[in-house]
Amino acid sequence: DTAVSQTPKYLVTQMGNDKSIKCEQNLGHDTMYWYKQDSKKFLKIMFSYNNKELIINETVPNRFSPKSPDKAHLNLHINSLELGDSAVYFCASSLRGGDYEQYFGPGTRLTVT
Amino acid sequence: AQSVTQLGSHVSVSEGALVLLRCNYSSSVPPYLFWYVQYPNQGLQLLLKYTSAATLVKGINGFEAEFKKSETSFHLTKPSAHMSDAAEYFCAVSHSNDYKLSFGAGTTVTVRA
Repeated sequence: DTAVSQTPKYLVTQMGNDKSIKCEQNLGHDTMYWYKQDSKKFLKIMFSYNNKELIINETVPNRFSPKSPDKAHLNLHINSLELGDSAVYFCASSLRGGDYEQYFGPGTRLTVT
Repeated sequence: AQSVTQLGSHVSVSEGALVLLRCNYSSSVPPYLFWYVQYPNQGLQLLLKYTSAATLVKGINGFEAEFKKSETSFHLTKPSAHMSDAAEYFCAVSHSNDYKLSFGAGTTVTVRA
């Protein structure tokens, strides 16, 4: 039974389109995250939520809008996709912040053409 | 602000040889330090973490790391490399009340037969 799942695994779309990535965790965690991994494999936090409340928005363009309908889900909607949005997006969750282990999903590879 | 620097973007070792991956951190408050591994086309998996208890931390798959405050380092070692250790390794830092991981640039490990 997958702990952190993301859909879709691959997403190919054209510039200007709007797309969503869904994330679900079945670990009972309070905190969820979105990270972006670029083509050089550098990982950077985008958003973190704790108990459905936005805690961190790391200077991400407002074309990116996370939404947490409940503690088990954190979705990412992206408007007006640009070439530079091509990356792998990882969802993660942890019991809380600080020293708690983050569990990562398998990633969604987004390609914008 | 906190950050980590991984020295060496690529490490190549022979099967059975020592694996040594270097990580130095910068943090104005006591850090929590993590090593994660990423296998091709997968999410990240925690190898081990330091959270101010024992300075020598043992993790999964035979890896261990030592926290050295005087050197601001948290290097990862494994006495004998296996072919299955070929992957990308990330050092990361967090601190109490933090809701994100700040990652290093990663080190690619290849294992020669």
